[in-house]
Amino acid sequence: SQQGEEDPQALSIQEGENATMNCSYKTSINNLQWYRQNSGRGLVHLILIRSNEREKHSGRLRVTLDTSKKSSSLLITASRAADTASYFCATDYYGNNRLAFGKGNQVVVIP
Amino acid sequence: DAGVIQSPRHEVTEMGQEVTLRCKPISGHDYLFWYRQTMMRGLELLIYFNNNVPIDDSGMPEDRFSAKMPNASFSTLKIQPSEPRDSAVYFCASSAVLGTQYFGPGTRLLVL
Repeated sequence: SQQGEEDPQALSIQEGENATMNCSYKTSINNLQWYRQNSGRGLVHLILIRSNEREKHSGRLRVTLDTSKKSSSLLITASRAADTASYFCATDYYGNNRLAFGKGNQVVVIP
Repeated sequence: DAGVIQSPRHEVTEMGQEVTLRCKPISGHDYLFWYRQTMMRGLELLIYFNNNVPIDDSGMPEDRFSAKMPNASFSTLKIQPSEPRDSAVYFCASSAVLGTQYFGPGTRLLVL
């Protein structure tokens, strides 16, 4: 399978702490995306990083991409209770118009 | 914009019945995707359309599943006959270009 795979699977942190999630993939990609899913809701796009980019920021989110290691990380700084959700990485492969999603990282932020 | 609209939000049916899920993509989006999400298998792409034409249906589990997109503002996913193992949350998503996808709220299907 060419799915992205997040690590760790579940994370519980205190409000104000940082949360870091990792994602690995297997083949060359056009871009990698991170999505958030709140319980019982659809996925919401957070950030997209292209294969020629190494780091990208959006508000409290920081995404890095290491194409040599075929991995990405998502950092949420100063977490809030509202950040409690599942976070998915998705990869868009060369020559393939499909997005492949990982199984998701469950993050619980304790107030 | 109202976002991607899906109906129904919840569906409970008995094994063997026909189930039809509906999706209205965001206006102007050329791509429409149908996904299925379960605890065991995660999020799976079933089929996607570009300009109303099915491009890749390799994720459709079997002949009991069919999807149509008669026009740019409407798509259906049909399961006939339904089975308990089809129980899942079905998402529709749309995008303007290949890249960021916008998901609907999902249809939670339970087949008894």
